[in-house]
Amino acid sequence: DTEVTQTPKHLVMGMTNKKSLKCEQHMGHRAMYWYKQKAKKPPELMFVYSYEKLSINESVPSRFSPECPNSSLLNLHLHALQPEDSALYLCASSPSAGGPNEKLFFGSGTQLSVL
Amino acid sequence: DQQVKQNSPSLSVQEGRISILNCDYTNSMFDYFLWYKKYPAEGPTFLISISSIKDKNEDGRFTVFLNKSAKHLSLHIVPSQPGDSAVYFCAASGRMNNNAGNMLTFGGGTRLMVKP
Repeated sequence: DTEVTQTPKHLVMGMTNKKSLKCEQHMGHRAMYWYKQKAKKPPELMFVYSYEKLSINESVPSRFSPECPNSSLLNLHLHALQPEDSALYLCASSPSAGGPNEKLFFGSGTQLSVL
Repeated sequence: DQQVKQNSPSLSVQEGRISILNCDYTNSMFDYFLWYKKYPAEGPTFLISISSIKDKNEDGRFTVFLNKSAKHLSLHIVPSQPGDSAVYFCAASGRMNNNAGNMLTFGGGTRLMVKP
């Protein structure tokens, strides 16, 4: 299994809603990532989990709350989002955290629209 | 300040010809470079990579060249096929000493269109 699976594929939510994005990998990878991509822009790093601990938070607003329940799962909890948070949210994983010459494996993303 | 730049937002090539996509970087700490291919509303798919100890890596129709002195890399696709039409992102990473993860810095992307 060489896939990173993200659910849901599409999500529409209001600014007062609470929702969660889910990501799963069964490749035994020890690092997992959340990226955000706006239209016609490159992916931008939000969070990194290394060995199930949050290792990097790229100054992301607190309305985004990541969670890593175990080494295979990564969640992103959303609350009180703004319309400008509408974007494609990408999950990725890599074999180890900080190992040399590692590529990231990306999921297909969740297309989020905030109304 | 963008550390990884792809100065051509789009490129149009005839089927069967060579496609050359370029990427420049500024951070000397980058030691691993990757190319990802992306379709709309999908995640990036890894294509090919190169370590800073090499100057060329080839995989089938895809070849990546690295010029460290110029801080420049390029992706060559030959022959180009209509199915290659996508957005191509150049990405770079540097060794993290604290096992915090492999952070990729992406360029802005180049949209490749291969015409039949």
